[in-house]
Amino acid sequence: AQKVTQAQTEISVVEKEDVTLDCVYETRDTTYYLFWYKQPPSGELVFLIRRNSFDEQNEISGRYSWNFQKSTSSFNFTITASQVVDSAVYFCALSEWDDYKLSFGAGTTVTVRA
Amino acid sequence: NAGVTQTPKFQVLKTGQSMTLQCAQDMNHEYMSWYRQDPGMGLRLIHYSVGAGITDQGEVPNGYNVSRSTTEDFPLRLLSAAPSQTSVYFCASRFGRQGHYEQYFGPGTRLTVT
Repeated sequence: AQKVTQAQTEISVVEKEDVTLDCVYETRDTTYYLFWYKQPPSGELVFLIRRNSFDEQNEISGRYSWNFQKSTSSFNFTITASQVVDSAVYFCALSEWDDYKLSFGAGTTVTVRA
Repeated sequence: NAGVTQTPKFQVLKTGQSMTLQCAQDMNHEYMSWYRQDPGMGLRLIHYSVGAGITDQGEVPNGYNVSRSTTEDFPLRLLSAAPSQTSVYFCASRFGRQGHYEQYFGPGTRLTVT
């Protein structure tokens, strides 16, 4: 069975600090996909990234970066030089190759204070 | 393309009332699903459909019914609302079954059952 764990419930930082969100997953499949979604206070879910299990390269997109390590089953997300607009709930999710289901972690609420 | 649309955005029901949450997509996606979001639990799959006329249960299906008479529409019915169904409901669609397809989410419906 697939499972995603986000151990950090809430993180509060001051603007311009870096913040790292942890995500640990479990799956028996060798082919799977990992996702991060952002949910701002307005409530919609915003897709941030998809990474397949065969691509362990780290990815950077602006102030966002992701560190995928299969050896520790982790897919961590770092926001560099955080801004108030980064305040949101962030979800990590996993989907196996031939499965309809997207399994979500419980989410981490990030609050960036000015 | 409007993407995935949901109505209503907000709803208050009394215990025992019934209602239908509407979901539609205009991307010709074969796969559609309903999730509920509760604090500290992430999003959990209620029901899903892999095409018109085909539906199946997710991890928390009790108290909900679905049908899929067209590719575009996937309504969620609450037969007799209970306070435990107070939640935010998201409809989602994607092109196919396999996990690499991006899931597109609607804006959500916030339901309160008193």
